[in-house]
Amino acid sequence: TQLLEQSPQFLSIQEGENLTVYCNSSSVFSSLQWYRQEPGEGPVLLVTVVTGGEVKKLKRLTFQFGDARKDSSLHITAAQPGDTGLYLCVRTGNQFYFGTGTSLTVIP
Amino acid sequence: EAGVVQSPRYKIIEKKQPVAFWCNPISGHNTLYWYLQNLGQGPELLIRYENEEAVDDSQLPKDRFSAERLKGVDSTLKIQPAELGDSAVYLCASSLEVAGRGTGELFFGEGSRLTVL
Repeated sequence: TQLLEQSPQFLSIQEGENLTVYCNSSSVFSSLQWYRQEPGEGPVLLVTVVTGGEVKKLKRLTFQFGDARKDSSLHITAAQPGDTGLYLCVRTGNQFYFGTGTSLTVIP
Repeated sequence: EAGVVQSPRYKIIEKKQPVAFWCNPISGHNTLYWYLQNLGQGPELLIRYENEEAVDDSQLPKDRFSAERLKGVDSTLKIQPAELGDSAVYLCASSLEVAGRGTGELFFGEGSRLTVL
């Protein structure tokens, strides 16, 4: 059962553009993780957010946890072809629950 | 240190045939997961082990799927007989979970891509 809705499901942009991916749930998260999965590989952890309103930056990636801890966003500035992949938000706590995924393609 | 190792990377079989996937988690990780992933979608949990005990197998189709982690280290996932709809990537992951601390980080293998003809 998918408890987390991500949008958009697919995104294709030109190199240098900015983008935002959203992750939403009807229930409160204790904490949330974002993973990126490159083609032919397994997902790899990018960040963990715990506190409502928390913002974390990882180079050109900015992650925000909603104040009510029901949603999160991932913003990428000046996207590069190496950012191509499937982005997954994951609700953590007692178990891991994966979101529906956002497939990003950055065209050179 | 070696990551999560899975084999085979690719498997093509005809429907009704059996297939097995193997996973060796990161050394010392007590929790092992098998996930099914369809193209472009998030992984879906099949089974979770804490050491050798299957603590969550509620989503495992037990009529045709089975799994084991006999010594609490490596694990095997079997499908018998395979159906067309089983075509997917089967991901294994491991983590080190400490009681009372909630979930940590998942480390994934590269996956086993199954095609059922």
